[in-house]
Amino acid sequence: DAKTTQPPSMDCAEGRAANLPCNHSTISGNEYVYWYRQIHSQGPQYIIHGLKNNETNEMASLIITEDRKSSTLILPHATLRDTAVYYCIGTASKLTFGTGTRLQVTL
Amino acid sequence: NAGVMQNPRHLVRRRGQEARLRCSPMKGHSHVYWYRQLPEEGLKFMVYLQKENIIDESGMPKERFSAEFPKEGPSILRIQQVVRGDSAAYFCASSNFKDRNYGYTFGSGTRLTVV
Repeated sequence: DAKTTQPPSMDCAEGRAANLPCNHSTISGNEYVYWYRQIHSQGPQYIIHGLKNNETNEMASLIITEDRKSSTLILPHATLRDTAVYYCIGTASKLTFGTGTRLQVTL
Repeated sequence: NAGVMQNPRHLVRRRGQEARLRCSPMKGHSHVYWYRQLPEEGLKFMVYLQKENIIDESGMPKERFSAEFPKEGPSILRIQQVVRGDSAAYFCASSNFKDRNYGYTFGSGTRLTVV
């Protein structure tokens, strides 16, 4: 699994875009970048994943740099319910969770 | 289509007792993963199972912990002779394919408290 580095915490105003960065400079060619989040003490929730191309779904967008050494998760219009710990994972098999970024969305 | 079902949601055991945690994967999923989350810590991988097979148990403690995923029925994580340090949230996830790039679906977890 790729080693990932994320800022420990971030704040975002409600209604604004939340941009969560992740460095994964050791990622190998067959490893995808996954993003999950954990709201309070609930089970982790899948957000999005990608390999090379940028991806978008109903929850978020994922921007992966051309060299694949970093990525950014974008929540286009953050709400209070998006307050959670966000995990970036680089893997070709099982998910290995790091410490993530604690996103606090405020009024 | 129900998601991943874990039960019980909360389990209290006295030191020395056995804890049995159950996980029913999503319909059609044949791969199950167990994770443990100690208070104020991140999720740690424990074991990965396919029907009737343990594929990766690199995260399982060497003693007292075992897991199974029988041909019929849920996956079971069993902790024998529990100690206070086993108090944690245990999450189960399921997926459709091994090493395929699909998002795993997690259950709501079992909170084990050892008193």
